[in-house]
Amino acid sequence: RKEVEQDPGPFNVPEGATVAFNCTYSNSASQSFFWYRQDCRKEPKLLMSVYSSGNEDGRFTAQLNRASQYISLLIRDSKLSDSATYLCVVNSGGYQKVTFGTGTKLQVIP
Amino acid sequence: GAVVSQHPSWVICKSGTSVKIECRSLDFQATTMFWYRQFPKQSLMLMATSNEGSKATYEQGVEKDKFLINHASLTLSTLTVTSAHPEDSSFYICSAHPGPEGGTQYFGPGTRLLVL
Repeated sequence: RKEVEQDPGPFNVPEGATVAFNCTYSNSASQSFFWYRQDCRKEPKLLMSVYSSGNEDGRFTAQLNRASQYISLLIRDSKLSDSATYLCVVNSGGYQKVTFGTGTKLQVIP
Repeated sequence: GAVVSQHPSWVICKSGTSVKIECRSLDFQATTMFWYRQFPKQSLMLMATSNEGSKATYEQGVEKDKFLINHASLTLSTLTVTSAHPEDSSFYICSAHPGPEGGTQYFGPGTRLLVL
């Protein structure tokens, strides 16, 4: 089983739709979690951290479920500019042990 | 957010040439820097973890003699692809981490390497 797993997609959704991605992790000792966004042919950029109590940043909501070992990202009112690959990142065993998921591709359609 | 730069952004070179890529953290000190490689339509693959003042830790399958990493200061790490071949053509991305209290890593803009 991979350390961090994501559905590669693509998720094709119409503008204005709500879409959610999950990411599962295998190491129960994982300590911190992040969502990154990567546009085509660009470097990943931090979208948001994921806190135990869940957190929201505008149209984006991140949640952590430690019992089931997954994190989620919810995007409301999708915009064309949200089209990108969303990478789940898990820190295990300290800040140097970082594992990336393979990413979930989102395509928002007009 | 923190700023990480990479230089050069593009390299086209002949087979057999060595290529050096620099990664700098511009507004913070990076205890640790990471080097990744990404082939088209594939995910980021960690190549090595570089700690300032010590030897890099390479991931399985990555040749340490081919991909030389130097992390001489808290703001600079370099990756040298020695005797590059066409199969080394890829998108090389570095990231820098401020350390245990710093949250997460920040990525450089990447370097596209094309070996002819």
